[in-house]
Amino acid sequence: GAGVSQSPSNKVTEKGKDVELRCDPISGHTALYWYRQRLGQGLEFLIYFQGNSAPDKSGLPSDRFSAERTGESVSTLTIQRTQQEDSAVYLCASSSRTGSMKTQYFGPGTRLLVL
Amino acid sequence: GENVEQHPSTLSVQEGDSAVIKCTYSDSASNYFPWYKQELGKGPQLIIDIRSNVGEKKDQRIAVTLNKTAKHFSLHITETQPEDSAVYFCAASINTDKLIFGTGTRLQVFP
Repeated sequence: GAGVSQSPSNKVTEKGKDVELRCDPISGHTALYWYRQRLGQGLEFLIYFQGNSAPDKSGLPSDRFSAERTGESVSTLTIQRTQQEDSAVYLCASSSRTGSMKTQYFGPGTRLLVL
Repeated sequence: GENVEQHPSTLSVQEGDSAVIKCTYSDSASNYFPWYKQELGKGPQLIIDIRSNVGEKKDQRIAVTLNKTAKHFSLHITETQPEDSAVYFCAASINTDKLIFGTGTRLQVFP
């Protein structure tokens, strides 16, 4: 079946501009996560949505970062007034809340370059 | 909060040899430990995971061991093949919620 999809796959923007990154989770997955991966580094947790519960925003690095999710489907990560240090790959993952393991399945990521 | 350390950062082995990657975690409440493989330009893919009520799990050439007392867990790949070359990440979480990742190990398998 279809996996997690993300768009755009690549985004180049100028410092100070706003960007929106989109994630389409696996159908039926109620949990959705955003992570950031800087070049050559591990993944950093940003935000987590689970059904209708309030999202866990504990990983967002500043108030320039925000995310929304429509029901149990699409999510959008917005970065306002982008800075060069925001350049990274932004990865989305989704998981089912049934079953014992609740594996997180990752999309291919959006590569963001801020000039 | 949780902190995960991963070693080594790079690992080179000859095809057919074994590879071992080690991770330590800090939060004793963590109870879920997945390992992900990431190939160039792709998102991470789960290769094996383990819960804290189990000490070892195997899947063909891949095994994971967990020492809860020492807060260590390790990935073992036997009979390595060139297609095993990738970056491997360990992670820890509480109840499979947000994952805290290690910094990654770049594995190169030479034919």
